[in-house]
Amino acid sequence: GAGVSQTPSNKVTEKGKYVELRCDPISGHTALYWYRQSLGQGPEFLIYFQGTGAADDSGLPNDRFFAVRPEGSVSTLKIQRTERGDSAVYLCASSSLGTHYGEQYFGPGTRLTVT
Amino acid sequence: AQTVTQSQPEMSVQEAETVTLSCTYDTSESNYYLFWYKQPPSRQMILVIRQEAYKQQNATENRFSVNFQKAAKSFSLKISDSQLGDTAMYFCAFTLLNRDDKIIFGKGTRLHILP
Repeated sequence: GAGVSQTPSNKVTEKGKYVELRCDPISGHTALYWYRQSLGQGPEFLIYFQGTGAADDSGLPNDRFFAVRPEGSVSTLKIQRTERGDSAVYLCASSSLGTHYGEQYFGPGTRLTVT
Repeated sequence: AQTVTQSQPEMSVQEAETVTLSCTYDTSESNYYLFWYKQPPSRQMILVIRQEAYKQQNATENRFSVNFQKAAKSFSLKISDSQLGDTAMYFCAFTLLNRDDKIIFGKGTRLHILP
């Protein structure tokens, strides 16, 4: 079946602009995660959804970052007033509730460049 | 708080040789999972191998095996008969057992397999 997909693959925006990054999880997966991977670093957790609600948003760096998952499937990460420091690869992952492996399946990421 | 440390930023080995990537972690929990992920230039995070902390037996997946030392909080990855396709970033990672929770990643080791 289809894996996790993310759009766009690459996004270039000017400082101060608003951007939206989309994640389509694997069908039936109830848990969805967003991570941010800065250059030369490992991914860092941003937010975790269980169904439609954000179960843990402790990784969001500030109030310019917001994410939604209104129907419990597709999720959108929204960044307001972008800054050059927001440049990174944003990874999405999904997992199936009930698996005892804790395995998350990752998408290919969106590379965001803020100029 | 959980942390994951990879002390080797970059490594190079000849094709067909064996290479070991190091990882240490810190946690006060007793039940957790450890992972090694591979990230090629395509950015896709690929799960290489998984180890449940309650299992004493080291996990193996074909040419990949781990040396899990729970008391020392050490989790190294051994790649046997290395192949050119093994060239990638490798991330050691940690998550808590039976919880749909965030994955904590190390900073990664860039592995080059030389022809």
